[in-house]
Amino acid sequence: EAGVAQSPRYKIIEKRQSVAFWCNPISGHATLYWYQQILGQGPKLLIQFQNNGVVDDSQLPKDRFSAERLKGVDSTLKIQPAKLEDSAVYLCASSFLRQGHGYTFGSGTRLTVV
Amino acid sequence: AQSVSQHNHHVILSEAASLELGCNYSYGGTVNLFWYVQYPGQHLQLLLKYFSGDPLVKGIKGFEAEFIKSKFSFNLRKPSVQWSDTAEYFCAVNARAAGNKLTFGGGTRVLVKP
Repeated sequence: EAGVAQSPRYKIIEKRQSVAFWCNPISGHATLYWYQQILGQGPKLLIQFQNNGVVDDSQLPKDRFSAERLKGVDSTLKIQPAKLEDSAVYLCASSFLRQGHGYTFGSGTRLTVV
Repeated sequence: AQSVSQHNHHVILSEAASLELGCNYSYGGTVNLFWYVQYPGQHLQLLLKYFSGDPLVKGIKGFEAEFIKSKFSFNLRKPSVQWSDTAEYFCAVNARAAGNKLTFGGGTRVLVKP
């Protein structure tokens, strides 16, 4: 089966600019996750969707980050405006069950804010 | 706070040496446990997982992990490492008490010298 697709692979922007990342999960996976992985740290969950509804966004900096999952399939994560500390790899993952028994991760988008 | 802890940030060893990476979590109740590996420049890949049953879990590439409930631990082991095992290893926990989201430890970077 096809994996989780993410784009772009790399993005360099200046601080205060906006950026968007796209994720296409595995077909049929109802649950979608966005993680932020800062260099030297483990991935941190930003937001979890079940179909097109938000299950958990408690660690999403809502003053600058937003995410949507229209029609319960693709998802977009946006940062507006970006800060230097947002430099990280943004990972998308999907799973079949809400309990997350099986997770598949995409290759990630490496964001550098200068 | 509920968390996942990996004791070693960096491990350096020679080929054929044995590897053991520690992982402890602080969640009570039902947990599912995972070890992921991230090779340089690649995305997260699942090494093994524990849901229930035999606490000694065997994964891919000769890795195994043991769930010790009384110690809240899920340590990863490999009897004889290869140079190709150079990677970053992440322990992750999916706990009902934490809303079933997947929480990662900080990772352990393993360097195997040829």
